[in-house]
Amino acid sequence: ELKVEQNPLFLSMQEGKNYTIYCNYSTTSDRLYWYRQDPGKSLESLFVLLSNGAVKQEGRLMASLDTKARLSTLHITAAVHDLSATYFCAVGNSGNKLVFGAGTILRVKS
Amino acid sequence: NAGVMQNPRHLVRRRGQEARLRCSPMKGHSHVYWYRQLPEEGLKFMVYLQKENIIDESGMPKERFSAEFPKEGPSILRIQQVVRGDSAAYFCASSPTAGQGNYGYTFGSGTRLTVV
Repeated sequence: ELKVEQNPLFLSMQEGKNYTIYCNYSTTSDRLYWYRQDPGKSLESLFVLLSNGAVKQEGRLMASLDTKARLSTLHITAAVHDLSATYFCAVGNSGNKLVFGAGTILRVKS
Repeated sequence: NAGVMQNPRHLVRRRGQEARLRCSPMKGHSHVYWYRQLPEEGLKFMVYLQKENIIDESGMPKERFSAEFPKEGPSILRIQQVVRGDSAAYFCASSPTAGQGNYGYTFGSGTRLTVV
């Protein structure tokens, strides 16, 4: 059974600092997704990572995938308050389900 | 091109009542997925449907929950005799083909069910 673990589950950051969220998964997969969720809202797709070594960047966020280590990272550079949200990684398998991590609540303090 | 439309956005039901949640997929999408998000948790897969067929319901509770996606109209997630533990956000996603493809799913805004 595919399990997805994120850490940390809660992250309080100062504006301008860098940090990384980690997403580990238990079985082989070659597709991993990062989503952002604001309170009371739906999920916004951030990144789709489809191959080993994939790296994608959008603004202050950069995601990478290491399928051999079964690890994805979401790196935040010079955090700003607008990045405060909950971030989920989700792993796809050969079926049609996404298995989500528990989410990382990010709070950026000014 | 409207996204995935869910209604109602908020639904309050008393214990023992029925809840019906609706999901209209994106235009051109014939694959629908329902996920449930309990407070402070990630999303959990419930069911995957194509038009008139349930493909995978491995995440559905065995009792009180059912889903359909008729030939015409939205997909419906039905919860009979709701209990407080059913209080959650229910999200629908759709895709044009089976599986996540290269773009993942598009999620709707969700229905937040509160059982009182």
